[in-house]
Amino acid sequence: EPEVTQTPSHQVTQMGQEVILRCVPISNHLYFYWYRQILGQKVEFLVSFYNNEISEKSEIFDDQFSVERPDGSNFTLKIRSTKLEDSAMYFCASSGDGSWEKLFFGSGTQLSVL
Amino acid sequence: DAKTTQPNSMESNEEEPVHLPCNHSTISGTDYIHWYRQLPSQGPEYVIHGLTSNVNNRMASLAIAEDRKSSTLILHRATLRDAAVYYCIPKLSGTYKYIFGTGTRLKVLA
Repeated sequence: EPEVTQTPSHQVTQMGQEVILRCVPISNHLYFYWYRQILGQKVEFLVSFYNNEISEKSEIFDDQFSVERPDGSNFTLKIRSTKLEDSAMYFCASSGDGSWEKLFFGSGTQLSVL
Repeated sequence: DAKTTQPNSMESNEEEPVHLPCNHSTISGTDYIHWYRQLPSQGPEYVIHGLTSNVNNRMASLAIAEDRKSSTLILHRATLRDAAVYYCIPKLSGTYKYIFGTGTRLKVLA
Protein backbone atom coordinates (compact mmCIF):
# COMPACT_ATOMS: atom_id res chain seq x y z
CA GLU A 1 0.00 0.00 0.00
CA PRO A 2 1.30 3.52 -0.75
CA GLU A 3 2.77 5.40 2.18
CA VAL A 4 3.36 8.96 3.32
CA THR A 5 7.06 9.34 4.06
CA GLN A 6 8.45 11.78 6.61
CA THR A 7 12.05 12.78 7.17
CA PRO A 8 13.86 12.96 9.44
CA SER A 9 12.34 10.62 12.00
CA HIS A 10 14.03 12.60 14.78
CA GLN A 11 15.20 16.20 14.76
CA VAL A 12 16.99 17.94 17.58
CA THR A 13 17.45 21.70 17.44
CA GLN A 14 18.36 24.62 19.63
CA MET A 15 15.74 27.12 20.68
CA GLY A 16 15.53 29.96 18.19
CA GLN A 17 16.76 27.90 15.25
CA GLU A 18 14.78 27.27 12.09
CA VAL A 19 13.71 23.74 11.25
CA ILE A 20 12.17 22.24 8.16
CA LEU A 21 10.23 19.03 8.40
CA ARG A 22 9.80 17.14 5.17
CA CYS A 23 7.05 14.93 3.88
CA VAL A 24 6.48 13.04 0.66
CA PRO A 25 2.73 12.55 0.29
CA ILE A 26 1.20 9.73 -1.68
CA SER A 27 1.49 10.29 -5.39
CA ASN A 28 -1.64 11.80 -6.97
CA HIS A 29 -2.99 13.00 -3.65
CA LEU A 30 -4.23 16.56 -3.69
CA TYR A 31 -4.88 17.47 -0.05
CA PHE A 32 -2.09 17.80 2.46
CA TYR A 33 -2.07 18.28 6.21
CA TRP A 34 0.23 18.82 9.16
CA TYR A 35 -0.69 17.75 12.67
CA ARG A 36 1.31 17.65 15.86
CA GLN A 37 1.11 15.65 19.06
CA ILE A 38 2.83 16.77 22.23
CA LEU A 39 3.84 13.78 24.36
CA GLY A 40 0.85 12.35 26.16
CA GLN A 41 -1.59 14.78 24.58
CA LYS A 42 -4.05 14.64 21.72
CA VAL A 43 -3.36 15.00 18.03
CA GLU A 44 -3.69 18.68 17.09
CA PHE A 45 -4.56 20.05 13.66
CA LEU A 46 -2.12 22.64 12.32
CA VAL A 47 -2.91 23.28 8.67
CA SER A 48 -4.49 21.91 5.53
CA PHE A 49 -3.21 22.68 2.03
CA TYR A 50 -4.84 22.31 -1.36
CA ASN A 51 -4.11 23.68 -4.81
CA ASN A 52 -0.89 25.29 -3.62
CA GLU A 53 -2.46 27.32 -0.89
CA ILE A 54 -3.51 26.99 2.72
CA SER A 55 -7.13 25.87 3.05
CA GLU A 56 -7.43 26.13 6.81
CA LYS A 57 -5.17 26.63 9.77
CA SER A 58 -5.49 26.44 13.51
CA GLU A 59 -4.58 29.02 16.13
CA ILE A 60 -1.36 27.11 16.71
CA PHE A 61 -0.25 27.81 13.15
CA ASP A 62 0.98 31.37 13.72
CA ASP A 63 3.49 33.46 11.80
CA GLN A 64 6.32 31.23 12.97
CA PHE A 65 4.97 28.39 10.84
CA SER A 66 4.82 28.07 7.07
CA VAL A 67 4.14 25.30 4.60
CA GLU A 68 5.30 24.79 1.07
CA ARG A 69 5.01 22.31 -1.75
CA PRO A 70 8.22 23.24 -3.54
CA ASP A 71 8.45 20.67 -6.31
CA GLY A 72 5.22 18.72 -6.75
CA SER A 73 6.35 15.82 -4.61
CA ASN A 74 7.50 17.22 -1.27
CA PHE A 75 5.42 19.02 1.33
CA THR A 76 7.33 20.89 4.01
CA LEU A 77 6.61 22.51 7.35
CA LYS A 78 8.97 25.27 8.43
CA ILE A 79 9.21 26.64 11.94
CA ARG A 80 11.18 29.88 11.77
CA SER A 81 12.33 30.31 15.34
CA THR A 82 11.68 27.24 17.44
CA LYS A 83 10.49 27.44 21.02
CA LEU A 84 10.71 24.81 23.74
CA GLU A 85 6.96 24.27 23.46
CA ASP A 86 7.32 23.29 19.79
CA SER A 87 8.76 19.97 20.94
CA ALA A 88 6.32 17.38 19.67
CA MET A 89 5.72 14.63 17.14
CA TYR A 90 4.74 16.18 13.83
CA PHE A 91 2.58 14.15 11.46
CA CYS A 92 2.06 14.80 7.79
CA ALA A 93 -1.02 13.44 6.04
CA SER A 94 -2.43 13.41 2.54
CA SER A 95 -5.68 12.48 0.87
CA GLY A 96 -7.26 12.49 -2.55
CA ASP A 97 -7.22 10.46 -5.72
CA GLY A 98 -10.81 9.27 -5.36
CA SER A 99 -10.75 8.87 -1.59
CA TRP A 100 -10.28 12.42 -0.39
CA GLU A 101 -12.10 11.68 2.86
CA LYS A 102 -9.47 9.13 3.87
CA LEU A 103 -6.33 10.63 5.33
CA PHE A 104 -3.09 8.71 5.14
CA PHE A 105 -0.64 9.69 7.88
CA GLY A 106 3.10 9.37 7.94
CA SER A 107 4.96 7.89 10.88
CA GLY A 108 5.97 11.32 12.11
CA THR A 109 9.01 13.43 12.92
CA GLN A 110 9.88 13.77 16.58
CA LEU A 111 11.10 17.34 17.10
CA SER A 112 13.05 18.11 20.26
CA VAL A 113 13.85 21.75 20.97
CA LEU A 114 16.59 22.25 23.55
CA ASP B 1 -16.88 21.99 15.18
CA ALA B 2 -19.14 19.35 16.68
CA LYS B 3 -18.15 18.25 20.19
CA THR B 4 -17.61 14.56 20.87
CA THR B 5 -17.79 12.45 24.00
CA GLN B 6 -16.04 9.10 24.15
CA PRO B 7 -15.16 6.84 27.08
CA ASN B 8 -11.55 7.38 28.15
CA SER B 9 -10.81 3.67 28.04
CA MET B 10 -12.34 0.27 27.33
CA GLU B 11 -11.19 -3.31 27.60
CA SER B 12 -12.03 -6.31 25.49
CA ASN B 13 -11.03 -9.92 25.35
CA GLU B 14 -9.27 -11.13 22.26
CA GLU B 15 -11.55 -12.46 19.51
CA GLU B 16 -14.64 -10.90 21.07
CA PRO B 17 -16.63 -8.05 19.49
CA VAL B 18 -16.00 -4.51 20.69
CA HIS B 19 -18.46 -1.65 20.54
CA LEU B 20 -16.87 1.78 20.87
CA PRO B 21 -19.45 4.53 21.43
CA CYS B 22 -19.30 8.20 20.54
CA ASN B 23 -21.74 10.98 21.28
CA HIS B 24 -21.77 13.93 18.89
CA SER B 25 -25.04 15.64 19.73
CA THR B 26 -24.10 18.96 18.07
CA ILE B 27 -23.34 17.44 14.70
CA SER B 28 -24.76 19.16 11.63
CA GLY B 29 -26.82 17.38 9.02
CA THR B 30 -24.06 17.24 6.42
CA ASP B 31 -21.11 16.43 8.69
CA TYR B 32 -19.59 13.05 8.04
CA ILE B 33 -18.55 10.93 11.01
CA HIS B 34 -15.04 9.63 10.75
CA TRP B 35 -13.15 7.15 12.90
CA TYR B 36 -9.40 6.96 13.11
CA ARG B 37 -7.17 4.99 15.40
CA GLN B 38 -3.63 5.46 16.61
CA LEU B 39 -1.56 2.43 17.43
CA PRO B 40 1.29 2.91 19.91
CA SER B 41 4.12 5.01 18.51
CA GLN B 42 2.42 5.41 15.12
CA GLY B 43 0.53 8.04 13.21
CA PRO B 44 -3.25 7.94 13.08
CA GLU B 45 -4.84 5.44 10.74
CA TYR B 46 -8.18 5.74 8.95
CA VAL B 47 -10.77 3.20 10.04
CA ILE B 48 -14.13 4.11 8.54
CA HIS B 49 -16.54 6.98 7.88
CA GLY B 50 -20.23 7.48 7.16
CA LEU B 51 -23.05 10.00 6.97
CA THR B 52 -26.38 8.34 7.76
CA SER B 53 -26.37 4.70 6.82
CA ASN B 54 -24.44 2.02 8.58
CA VAL B 55 -21.14 1.27 6.88
CA ASN B 56 -18.94 -1.78 6.70
CA ASN B 57 -15.38 -2.31 5.53
CA ARG B 58 -12.70 -4.90 6.11
CA MET B 59 -11.60 -3.26 9.35
CA ALA B 60 -14.84 -2.44 11.11
CA SER B 61 -18.50 -1.49 10.98
CA LEU B 62 -19.99 1.88 11.79
CA ALA B 63 -23.48 2.10 13.21
CA ILE B 64 -24.98 5.58 13.11
CA ALA B 65 -28.01 6.45 15.21
CA GLU B 66 -31.09 7.56 13.34
CA ASP B 67 -30.86 11.07 14.83
CA ARG B 68 -27.11 11.09 14.10
CA LYS B 69 -26.31 12.28 17.60
CA SER B 70 -24.25 9.19 18.30
CA SER B 71 -22.40 6.44 16.53
CA THR B 72 -20.73 3.18 17.41
CA LEU B 73 -17.62 1.67 15.92
CA ILE B 74 -17.79 -2.11 15.92
CA LEU B 75 -14.76 -4.34 15.75
CA HIS B 76 -16.20 -7.77 15.09
CA ARG B 77 -13.33 -9.80 16.52
CA ALA B 78 -10.75 -7.84 18.47
CA THR B 79 -7.14 -8.86 18.09
CA LEU B 80 -4.11 -7.76 20.08
CA ARG B 81 -3.17 -5.57 17.12
CA ASP B 82 -6.39 -3.59 17.62
CA ALA B 83 -5.11 -2.13 20.89
CA ALA B 84 -5.03 1.58 20.12
CA VAL B 85 -6.65 4.93 20.80
CA TYR B 86 -9.83 5.27 18.73
CA TYR B 87 -11.00 8.72 17.70
CA CYS B 88 -14.48 9.71 16.58
CA ILE B 89 -14.32 12.83 14.40
CA PRO B 90 -17.35 14.65 13.00
CA LYS B 91 -15.92 16.58 10.07
CA LEU B 92 -17.58 19.85 9.21
CA SER B 93 -18.91 19.72 5.68
CA GLY B 94 -16.89 21.77 3.19
CA THR B 95 -13.80 21.93 5.36
CA TYR B 96 -10.48 20.14 5.27
CA LYS B 97 -10.03 19.98 9.00
CA TYR B 98 -10.22 16.84 11.11
CA ILE B 99 -10.23 17.69 14.80
CA PHE B 100 -9.09 14.87 17.06
CA GLY B 101 -10.49 14.63 20.57
CA THR B 102 -9.05 12.58 23.39
CA GLY B 103 -10.42 9.31 22.04
CA THR B 104 -10.95 5.92 23.68
CA ARG B 105 -7.97 3.82 24.61
CA LEU B 106 -8.83 0.21 23.80
CA LYS B 107 -7.00 -2.51 25.65
CA VAL B 108 -7.29 -6.03 24.27
CA LEU B 109 -6.68 -8.86 26.68
CA ALA B 110 -5.19 -12.15 25.49
